[in-house]
Amino acid sequence: NAGVTQTPKFRVLKTGQSMTLLCAQDMNHEYMYWYRQDPGMGLRLIHYSVGEGTTAKGEVPDGYNVSRLKKQNFLLGLESAAPSQTSVYFCASSYELGTSGNNEQFFGPGTRLTVL
Amino acid sequence: GQNIDQPTEMTATEGAIVQINCTYQTSGFNGLFWYQQHAGEAPTFLSYNVLDGLEEKGRFSSFLSRSKGYSYLLLKELQMKDSASYLCAVSTIYGGATNKLIFGTGTLLAVQP
Repeated sequence: NAGVTQTPKFRVLKTGQSMTLLCAQDMNHEYMYWYRQDPGMGLRLIHYSVGEGTTAKGEVPDGYNVSRLKKQNFLLGLESAAPSQTSVYFCASSYELGTSGNNEQFFGPGTRLTVL
Repeated sequence: GQNIDQPTEMTATEGAIVQINCTYQTSGFNGLFWYQQHAGEAPTFLSYNVLDGLEEKGRFSSFLSRSKGYSYLLLKELQMKDSASYLCAVSTIYGGATNKLIFGTGTLLAVQP
């Protein structure tokens, strides 16, 4: 049981390049999320998905796109990278919201992205 | 608007007790989470409170007062491995069918010998 995995772990891009970050989970979770974490800013939600084939915008969606073609995978794309997108990116997943409200999010190990 | 406040840094001594406070102002409150994050690693779940009161789990306890918009995480018998960032996150109902976590900026705890 690997939990939540992310690839790649590290990446350096030049301004204007594109890339895709892959998140995979083997816990059969309905919900998946992409966050970015910057010093002094805390974790901020970029996009999220409540099920296969669905995506929605979070707090800071500009410059990013996502897709959820399979339940276990959630892809984050940067079409034209900018230095402001230098950050650590975390993927997370959770069960759907139940009556208890405790749908703990399980986080992947993160991707450190630097845009020059 | 949504706002979560917690101290930026704290220092404590091995074996002691430390309390990390979190105050919040959010709409659609659906519970409060505490996560632990070691440097360079992913956040990991510590506790969840949705009702007022204290939840105890081993050396860690978490308290919630919904009327005051206040929570704290209490760590007892501190160990060196407890040196980490502690993230307060409020769960808010979003669109009626899901929830969204709003994270504070985290409290960096340094445990000294």
